[in-house]
Amino acid sequence: DTGVSQDPRHKITKRGQNVTFRCDPISEHNRLYWYRQTLGQGPEFLTYFQNEAQLEKSRLLSDRFSAERPKGSFSTLEIQRTEQGDSAMYLCASSPDRRGEKLFFGSGTQLSVL
Amino acid sequence: GESVGLHLPTLSVQEGDNSIINCAYSNSASDYFIWYKQESGKGPQFIIDIRSNMDKRQGQRVTVLLNKTVKHLSLQIAATQPGDSAVYFCAERTGGGNKLTFGTGTQLKVEL
Repeated sequence: DTGVSQDPRHKITKRGQNVTFRCDPISEHNRLYWYRQTLGQGPEFLTYFQNEAQLEKSRLLSDRFSAERPKGSFSTLEIQRTEQGDSAMYLCASSPDRRGEKLFFGSGTQLSVL
Repeated sequence: GESVGLHLPTLSVQEGDNSIINCAYSNSASDYFIWYKQESGKGPQFIIDIRSNMDKRQGQRVTVLLNKTVKHLSLQIAATQPGDSAVYFCAERTGGGNKLTFGTGTQLKVEL
């Protein structure tokens, strides 16, 4: 068990560019979550997958955001036409539990949009 | 909408003392609660969880208390150590839901 891995750890981009983040969950964890966290705040739910199926998306997830988990293992989160308001820590978590309990988080990808 | 919140943004304690971090929640339909610790530059780390059919649960040096009457959750850390310095978040899952909703967080500072 190597934990949840996220790549890259840091990303600096210019406004209007597209960015993609990757998350590798703990092996055999069926559930994978994406959260966003801004400074001084708790993580905010974005979306989650049960295996390869995306089952719920937050209203925070605008049409510029898209997440995939094609083979039910790793996941990607893409942000198109980035805006300064997208600057945040993007956290991935996985869980072996079907009830969405006890999430194990990665270290996150810190996005800065200039 | 309903939310989870914390009473104190910053808590300073002396090394060796016990710490109590409080959390208020407003959704009476929440059936599961969890505490996370987050150190600078890292993701949240699981500490302890509790279901709504319990009042108390103990772990190693940590205890979570749940008072459903007043919708209050607390995390007690015994013999606080410098390594306990971090931001602590409580989170809830609303009954039948599939995600955790986090509060704002409390910064715990351990003074030597």
